[in-house]
Amino acid sequence: AQSVTQLGSHVSVSEGALVLLRCNYSSSVPPYLFWYVQYPNQGLQLLLKYTTGATLVKGINGFEAEFKKSETSFHLTKPSAHMSDAAEYFCAVGGGSQGNLIFGKGTKLSVKP
Amino acid sequence: GAVVSQHPSWVICKSGTSVKIECRSLDFQATTMFWYRQFPKQSLMLMATSNEGSKATYEQGVEKDKFLINHASLTLSTLTVTSAHPEDSSFYICSAREAGLAGREQYFGPGTRLTVT
Repeated sequence: AQSVTQLGSHVSVSEGALVLLRCNYSSSVPPYLFWYVQYPNQGLQLLLKYTTGATLVKGINGFEAEFKKSETSFHLTKPSAHMSDAAEYFCAVGGGSQGNLIFGKGTKLSVKP
Repeated sequence: GAVVSQHPSWVICKSGTSVKIECRSLDFQATTMFWYRQFPKQSLMLMATSNEGSKATYEQGVEKDKFLINHASLTLSTLTVTSAHPEDSSFYICSAREAGLAGREQYFGPGTRLTVT
């Protein structure tokens, strides 16, 4: 079985500040981990993913995430927030036998000027 | 890059009628498509998984006779909400995945906003 926990339903940062969105997972098989971003009334856009190999993954728009197996975490970071980063972010785990993704509840990121 | 389209982007229908939503993979063949439902300010809930040429696999609690899924070709899957009721109003999102490793990401459509009056 797989599950995802995103700590903090709402995170607010100032423009230029560090962004840290937390994601912990549970998986009985080697996980594939994803971060998606969703803007209002739109679908999901892939930010980055981890499947195998390097544990520090770089994605689009300056985001990156590090897979830490010992901590079962896959936190998303960005050194300097931009106003355009304001959106809903979803962490997801896959790799199970059925190939589907299990999503966390999402974290809304607000960026203050 | 891989693009998935959905049509319509939004639809308003009267209670008791049926609505069909199309999901198309535009530049790749999608052997597997997924249908999700998203309530306001909530996460995506998987409704069903469809494989081309096979019957869809529905998640627990999802009525297969109400939400009809047809994966007719490698580029098209449809979701028909039959006898829609106001509680079916939601944001429906499809995703598609190419054949191959399970690690390939799913490509998401832009979603369809369904409002049942």
